[in-house]
Amino acid sequence: AQSVTQPDIHITVSEGASLELRCNYSYGATPYLFWYVQSPGQGLQLLLKYFSGDTLVQGIKGFEAEFKRSQSSFNLRKPSVHWSDAAEYFCAPASIVNRDDKIIFGKGTRLHILP
Amino acid sequence: DTAVSQTPKYLVTQMGNDKSIKCEQNLGHDTMYWYKQDSKKFLKIMFSYNNKELIINETVPNRFSPKSPDKAHLNLHINSLELGDSAVYFCASSLAATQYFGPGTRLLVL
Repeated sequence: AQSVTQPDIHITVSEGASLELRCNYSYGATPYLFWYVQSPGQGLQLLLKYFSGDTLVQGIKGFEAEFKRSQSSFNLRKPSVHWSDAAEYFCAPASIVNRDDKIIFGKGTRLHILP
Repeated sequence: DTAVSQTPKYLVTQMGNDKSIKCEQNLGHDTMYWYKQDSKKFLKIMFSYNNKELIINETVPNRFSPKSPDKAHLNLHINSLELGDSAVYFCASSLAATQYFGPGTRLLVL
């Protein structure tokens, strides 16, 4: 069965520190891979996505993610976090079957920023 | 020029009432969704429509009925509201598996 795991429910980092959020998936074939961010009281916003090609993808707000096929992982990173990065982050693998999008969302990682 | 919009933003109602949430997208996408997000932020897909046709209907009580009058609109009607229906409901549209979310409707059932 297809699944996605975000092993960290909460992560706390100090402002200016580096960040890595983990995501592992189980899929029949290599899926499309997404990271979404949800700020408090807001909807989800696309941070970045991987479809094919370069395994290191750049996103908005200074985020990047690296696809590692051998580890079935798509971890999200940022070299220096800002207080405004405090939010919920969702990893989501997806596929397109007969023109229908199939996407599953992880349970999310809540990022807390210490001043 | 909001891409995906939902109304209302907040909905407070009594148990047993019937309510509707409306969603519109101006992105020209063929596929639209309804998601439910519970208090633990877990996001669960409820329905998916492709060009007005129901594609995904997850295990959702039949008190929930989606309607898509055209491919730009996907509404959600809920009958006989229960306490457990309290959640945030998100509408989304998608293109090539990329989802575009609305701002959410916060439903509180008293």
